Amino acid sequence: DGGITQSPKYLFRKEGQNVTLSCEQNLNHDAMYWYRQDPGQGLRLIYYSQIVNDFQKGDIAEGYSVSREKKESFPLTVTSAQKNPTAFYLCASNRRGGGDTGELFFGEGSRLTVL
Amino acid sequence: KNQVEQSPQSLIILEGKNCTLQCNYTVSPFSNLRWYKQDTGRGPVSLTIMTFSENTKSNGRYTATLDADTKQSSLHITASQLSDSASYICVVSAASGGSYIPTFGRGTSLIVHP
Repeated sequence: DGGITQSPKYLFRKEGQNVTLSCEQNLNHDAMYWYRQDPGQGLRLIYYSQIVNDFQKGDIAEGYSVSREKKESFPLTVTSAQKNPTAFYLCASNRRGGGDTGELFFGEGSRLTVL
Repeated sequence: KNQVEQSPQSLIILEGKNCTLQCNYTVSPFSNLRWYKQDTGRGPVSLTIMTFSENTKSNGRYTATLDADTKQSSLHITASQLSDSASYICVVSAASGGSYIPTFGRGTSLIVHP
């Protein structure tokens, strides 16, 4: 079945450590996104990529980094510079250029807890 | 600035009852409005999509309405079930150069009690 796979589902990190969240999709979507979700807040965009080897900062990119070396993969690294990294992270994808009226397909999320 | 406001923030109902969730938006230029359902600890899943010319759309026990003049949408859930317990997120997209820029509401948390 086509979909988006995020891993790990749960992750614990000590302060000062970098951690990388994986996101893989087999939907043949060009565009991929990373969102952060905190209790009582709407999803906030961290980074997005519309094509391979290109990505742009979203609203809250500080302390995060990404890469897009393959169409299927868009990993997110939460660096030690991110001051409040404990959150639920969602990866999404859609067809670039307006296909499907922009419907976002989401992964199951990764919950990061900093100890 | 594009904004999406949802109400109520949370709602508790008894199984079998109906409920209505509200979404007000200021998004320009408006392209479409989606309602997503997000189960606890899972990713959101699209329930309905509405474009400018559509007033109502149903998906099983879920019925969404759109008033483009007042920039309001509602999601009505009929004969609620325990599995309806989730967060419901209103997402309004603006059209931009052939792409869609989504603005997310904060969601309404629905709890259905037996």
